[in-house]
Parts: sequence; structure tokens; C-alpha cells
Amino acid sequence: GENVEQHPSTLSVQEGDSAVIKCTYSDSASNYFPWYKQELGKRPQLIIDIRSNVGEKKDQRIAVTLNKTAKHFSLHITETQPEDSAVYFCAPPMDSNYQLIWGAGTKLIIKP
Amino acid sequence: GAGVSQSPRYKVTKRGQDVALRCDPISGHVSLYWYRQALGQGPEFLTYFNYEAQQDKSGLPNDRFSAERPEGSISTLTIQRTEQRDSAMYRCASSLAPQGGGNQPQHFGDGTRLSIL
Repeated sequence: GENVEQHPSTLSVQEGDSAVIKCTYSDSASNYFPWYKQELGKRPQLIIDIRSNVGEKKDQRIAVTLNKTAKHFSLHITETQPEDSAVYFCAPPMDSNYQLIWGAGTKLIIKP
Repeated sequence: GAGVSQSPRYKVTKRGQDVALRCDPISGHVSLYWYRQALGQGPEFLTYFNYEAQQDKSGLPNDRFSAERPEGSISTLTIQRTEQRDSAMYRCASSLAPQGGGNQPQHFGDGTRLSIL
């Protein structure tokens, strides 16, 4: 079945620095690559997604890059701020039924 | 509605009781998903619907769990003869498009925190 791995599991960065979280997947037929953010005690929310026909997508301080050959996609957050502290999940779909396969999450800590 | 609504927000019940958790998706959203989420972990897929049809229930842990969406809108997740191990946050999500559903953004509700005593 589909296997999804996220790295690192915890990431601590100084406010203002950049953060990068990587997601590796196994299903080569996946064509949709979302990132969700979940703040403590709140619901997961989609922050950015990319489809397989593009290699990069940016939205202000966040970006996602996709390497289909290597089967990984990464979340990039620049100029980090305290409100970026959260758990981030990648969730590429399993091709057979488009069920999302969730990574284990990366806890991002922004140090003041 | 403006977002996905779940009720109740909290449910505490004794072991052996049945519980029903409700989800009201975003108006017009075709696909509806149920997840279970343990603290500090990602959502665990339970089941999903396109319209009123249950497309995949492979994630339901056992036959005490069932779900329905009779009119293609509101859905109910029912757990019969609850056990302590059923204690978790149960989340519902909806997405707009019916095709597969996994390639569309999913919008989550605030969840129901279920505690079995």
C-alpha cells in the first residue's frame, strides 16, 4: 500500500528564519499533493497544494515544491512568525481510491 | 452553512452505550469523510461518501462502527457498544467534487471529542 514519510518529526527555527518539511511517498500514480496545518486544539486546514503538472507553487511566505521522479514534495516557509507554530501534515492520495494518506506530522516550533 | 459543523463537540458516555456523532458538511459539497484522530497524530481514515453512497468503509475498525448519509448531506457515525479504546477525536471533512475526492481540498470540522468511561 501507499507509504508516506515526513521529515523531520520536529523542527525548531528562530523567528524570521526559513523552515522546510519534506514528504516522501511511494505511489507513483499520485497526482495531488496537499499540505495541512493544524494548530493546537484546532482543525486541520489546507494551506497549500500542488498538482503533478507543476513543479512549484508559492503563496506569499509558503511554497510547495514537487519532485515526481524522486517521489517527494516539500513545504517551505520563509520569514517564519510565531503564528506558524503548528503541526504540519502532508497527505498525498492513494491512487486506487483517492483516499488521503496522512503523514505522521511535523511539529514546527518558532523560537522568539 | 459556512463551514463543516459537527455535534456534539464533546461526548462522555459509559462503556457499552451507543453513540451517534453528527456531521453537517459545507453546502453543496459532494464528498464527506470521517476520520479519527489521536492526540499528536494525523487523521486516520474511517469511511467516505459521495452523495449518499458509501464509497469506502475500509477504515472502520470493526462492525460496531457504521456510518450513513441518507440524503447526501448530513452524515451520522454510529458506534455501538462503546469501549474505552474508542475514546478519540472524531473529525468529519467535506470536499466539493465527487470524482475520487482525494484530489480535492478537504475542509474539516472542529470534531467531536468522545470519552468512554
